Amino acid sequence: DAGITQSPRHKVTETGTPVTLRCHQTENHRYMYWYRQDPGHGLRLIHYSYGVKDTDKGEVSDGYSVSRSKTEDFLLTLESATSSQTSVYFCAIRGGGHYGYTFGSGTRLTVV
Amino acid sequence: DQQVKQNSPSLSVQEGRISILNCDYTNSMFDYFLWYKKYPAEGPTFLISISSIKDKNEDGRFTVFLNKSAKHLSLHIVPSQPGDSAVYFCAASVRAGGTSYGKLTFGQGTILTVHP
Repeated sequence: DAGITQSPRHKVTETGTPVTLRCHQTENHRYMYWYRQDPGHGLRLIHYSYGVKDTDKGEVSDGYSVSRSKTEDFLLTLESATSSQTSVYFCAIRGGGHYGYTFGSGTRLTVV
Repeated sequence: DQQVKQNSPSLSVQEGRISILNCDYTNSMFDYFLWYKKYPAEGPTFLISISSIKDKNEDGRFTVFLNKSAKHLSLHIVPSQPGDSAVYFCAASVRAGGTSYGKLTFGQGTILTVHP
């Protein structure tokens, strides 16, 4: 379909363990974003990338890191998972000059 | 500080009637606004957008209105259909360029239920 896939779709992990979520695109878009969705908060930006190796923090970046070593992949790492990071995580891509995002299907992460 | 707010968590409408979803923003630098629709277990999908140089944009059954002086936008769906039942997010952006990188700030979402 849309040229953006997230993996895994679901994950349960224990508090204190590191977790990496993957976003893969086949659109060759420059911009990639990680959001989390929580009830009452909508979608909040965690980190974003504006090119290979070019990343920056969003509004809720504490406890998260990202890497983008090639155009098609944007990885989100929870360095030491906490229960407050239980959420649905969405990756999005955007081509230059167009303001709408294309979102992935999301990863539901549960930290127990 | 929530820069984009959707104050109605839910809205229930009868099929065939008009649905009006509202959104307020506080950041006067925002100059591009979008609406996204989200079904359960799927990612949000782009619905319609409007630039700050306009006050109205239509696409079929969907119309977005922008009132810059009030920092308010609304999405009208006419006529509403049961398949429109979903979560609707409004989002705002400072026009891409400089250091904005097209980041979107989203509201909390409104759950729309259209009853047959």
